[in-house]
Amino acid sequence: KAGVTQTPRYLIKTRGQQVTLSCSPISGHRSVSWYQQTPGQGLQFLFEYFSETQRNKGNFPGRFSGRQFSNSRSEMNVSTLELGDSALYLCASRESVASGQETQYFGPGTRLLVL
Amino acid sequence: AQTVTQSQPEMSVQEAETVTLSCTYDTSESNYYLFWYKQPPSRQMILVIRQEAYKQQNATENRFSVNFQKAAKSFSLKISDSQLGDTAMYFCAFMKDQGAQKLVFGQGTRLTINP
Repeated sequence: KAGVTQTPRYLIKTRGQQVTLSCSPISGHRSVSWYQQTPGQGLQFLFEYFSETQRNKGNFPGRFSGRQFSNSRSEMNVSTLELGDSALYLCASRESVASGQETQYFGPGTRLLVL
Repeated sequence: AQTVTQSQPEMSVQEAETVTLSCTYDTSESNYYLFWYKQPPSRQMILVIRQEAYKQQNATENRFSVNFQKAAKSFSLKISDSQLGDTAMYFCAFMKDQGAQKLVFGQGTRLTINP
């Protein structure tokens, strides 16, 4: 099976703009989670989607949002970009949210630079 | 809230040596999952090994094994016969079995294997 794919891989934006990142999970996986990785804060959970519904949300401002489509592909959006949003954004998928399906597989990430 | 601590920011060993990475965690949950992920310079997060808290037997995957001490809340990773390709950041991660399931990561250990 193909792994998790993320597009684009690299992105440069300026403050105040918005950005949309895309994630396609492993075929058959219905849960998608997003994480932000920065040198200062490390890896932090943004949100998880399952069956087109947001299941969990991390401690991020409302500028960070996401959605999931019927084919399990997910997008995350960041509005009114700030310099501090510069990070590697990682997407991870798992088969479901049932017990025993906890292992998440990660994509290569999207590196976002905000100038 | 759960926390994960990796007390070794950096480690360096010679090729073919054995190395152990430390991880401790704090939780009031009785059942949960623990993971080790590696992140090479490509930034792709790769699952190394997983452990279910209700299983007393330590997980092993080829040259990788863990020492899981539930009472001490300790979860160390041992890499035997280390190889140059093991050079990477290693993250210890925790996930609850129920409720808001998300990966909680430690700060990582940068492991360098020297020829």
